[in-house]
Amino acid sequence: LAKTTQPISMDSYEGQEVNITCSHNNIATNDYITWYQQFPSQGPRFIIQGYKTKVTNEVASLFIPADRKSSTLSLPRVSLSDTAVYYCLVGDYAGGYNKLIFGAGTRLAVHP
Amino acid sequence: GAGVSQSPSNKVTEKGKDVELRCDPISGHTALYWYRQSLGQGLEFLIYFQGNSAPDKSGLPSDRFSAERTGGSVSTLTIQRTQQEDSAVYLCASSLGRGGAVGGELFFGEGSRLTVL
Repeated sequence: LAKTTQPISMDSYEGQEVNITCSHNNIATNDYITWYQQFPSQGPRFIIQGYKTKVTNEVASLFIPADRKSSTLSLPRVSLSDTAVYYCLVGDYAGGYNKLIFGAGTRLAVHP
Repeated sequence: GAGVSQSPSNKVTEKGKDVELRCDPISGHTALYWYRQSLGQGLEFLIYFQGNSAPDKSGLPSDRFSAERTGGSVSTLTIQRTQQEDSAVYLCASSLGRGGAVGGELFFGEGSRLTVL
């Protein structure tokens, strides 16, 4: 089972800012939070990774509160091409392994 | 190439046949994952290799599924006696780091689409 919880779907319009929040109540001390984007018929691709506070790159920003039990991916001024599934991941330590398991993700639909 | 390479890109087989799917990870990446994705669904974890450690096979759905990784590099996922419910896209990913640690960014291949008739 994934260690994260996200909304199943979201809708937005072109030019708006989109914020997708992920809950990871049991995140380990050493874990980073990573977000991926997946378009149909493609494998997921890395968007952004952070440990705490705020991280920004050319694609998105990631906000992480001090308790690190949640994180918010912010996509500024979305376009139709941002329609995709967005996954939030933290490490899964079941069985003594530190691996990455995907949840259902958030399906973002951007409308004209 | 510099990316993760998977073959075949498409495989159509008959129920009951065995299939092998290959993944060539990025050179130097110690972690290798296999995931399965059915149409319209999320990624289902299958197996995880980390360096020379014993793999985490906890996601394999049945004993018809097995995987190996030779020399810490190329991996082969084998499905024996395929069933129609095995039809899916099989994705391989590799990374430098462990799990949620820094450097654990996953790089995915294009996937192998398996259709079992």
